[in-house]
Parts: sequence; structure tokens; C-alpha cells
Amino acid sequence: QVQLQESGPGLVKPSETLSLTCSVSGGSLSNYYWSWIRQPAGKGLDWLGRIHSSGNTIHNPSLKSRVTMSVDTSKNHFSLKLDSVTAADTAVYYCARVGAGANFDYWGQGTLVTVSS
Amino acid sequence: QAVVTQEPSLTVSPGGTVTLTCDSSTGAVTSGHYPHWFQQKPGQAPRTLIYDTSKKHSWTPARFSGSLLGGKAALTLSGAQPEDEAEYYCLLSYSGAYVFGTGTKITVL
Repeated sequence: QVQLQESGPGLVKPSETLSLTCSVSGGSLSNYYWSWIRQPAGKGLDWLGRIHSSGNTIHNPSLKSRVTMSVDTSKNHFSLKLDSVTAADTAVYYCARVGAGANFDYWGQGTLVTVSS
Repeated sequence: QAVVTQEPSLTVSPGGTVTLTCDSSTGAVTSGHYPHWFQQKPGQAPRTLIYDTSKKHSWTPARFSGSLLGGKAALTLSGAQPEDEAEYYCLLSYSGAYVFGTGTKITVL
């Protein structure tokens, strides 16, 4: 059974960089896409981007150049960095696997990141 | 960026049937958008019910089905149960980038 677990600081100061890691167990990163999604409290889901195990990325154009994603197959995890954060970036951040047929099959439980001084 | 729109809320009677739709601002939704449907209950991560328009996971109850209907993606719940009360989101693919729908709150009453 594939399991995903997000980890990282729960509090980030405005203008700093948000950094999260998604650790994958029960399966390999290889040959899959891996996505990041966020959800502000009481609001809808927002797709941030995806990365292939090869390192190829596509991100949400609304984030412009603030987002960076990376993958480490040796550690079986992938990461998200979001630069120059503001209060609007406060949300629960989820990671998910994207399988064949663009299938978002497995999700992490999510981690709350608050942007505040 | 495309905007994906869903009904804000729908109510269904226990045992009844309801259809949720997912509309794209760029035109008709097709199988090439790989429509997904997710269920989310308060305090929980989303759970995928339907992917690639109509495919189900092993955990998807049989009462849920996906289709294309009148240029939109659709999720039909037949025989609603109290535990189906939740928020439902669709997701569309636009050449490898994804956009979530605005979400539909389903009330079973």
C-alpha cells in the first residue's frame, strides 16, 4: 500500500521560503508524476504543480516563478519550495501521486503551513 | 488559466439520485481533459472517486459513476447514503496542467 507523508515547518515568516517534503513509502517514485495541492481554510483545492521522477516539471502559471519542485529517488521523496510567501499562502498542503491515466490515486494527509510573523 | 465551475451546493434525499457537473471556461469538456472526481469530508484529505472520466478505484462505491454530459463532466450518485454528505471536487487536465473545480457541497437530507 502506497503511503505519502508531508513534512516541514508549520510556520513561515512573510517573504521567506516555504519548504515541504513528501516521503513515499510502499512504492517507488520511478515512472510516476507527483503533485502538490493546497487548500486554504474553508476554501477549495488549488493545484500547484507536478514533477516526474525524471525531474520534468509543470507548475501552476498563477504561481509564476515562485515555485520549485525537486525529486530525490534515492531517498524516495520529493519536495516543494515556494518563495516570497505571504499570508495568502497559508493553507493545508497535500502531496499526491499521479498514476497512469492522470490518476490522482494516493494522497498524503496534508500539513498546515501558516505564514505569519 | 481555465476556470472550472461546479454547482455550489445540491441536496439529495436518502436513496435518491443527484448529478454534479463540471464545466470548463475553455469549451466542452472531453475525455482529453481526463476528468477526475474527488470526495472530501471535513478535516480529511480528498479521496479520488473517479478518474479518466469514468474509471473507478477499488474503494469507489458502486453508487458513484462518472460520464460526459452535454459538454461537461458529470458525477452521478445513485442511491445516496448519509455518509455521502461531503464536498465534491472535479479536476481537469489542460495539456498536463491541472485545474480544480470550485466544488459542490452535497447534503443528504
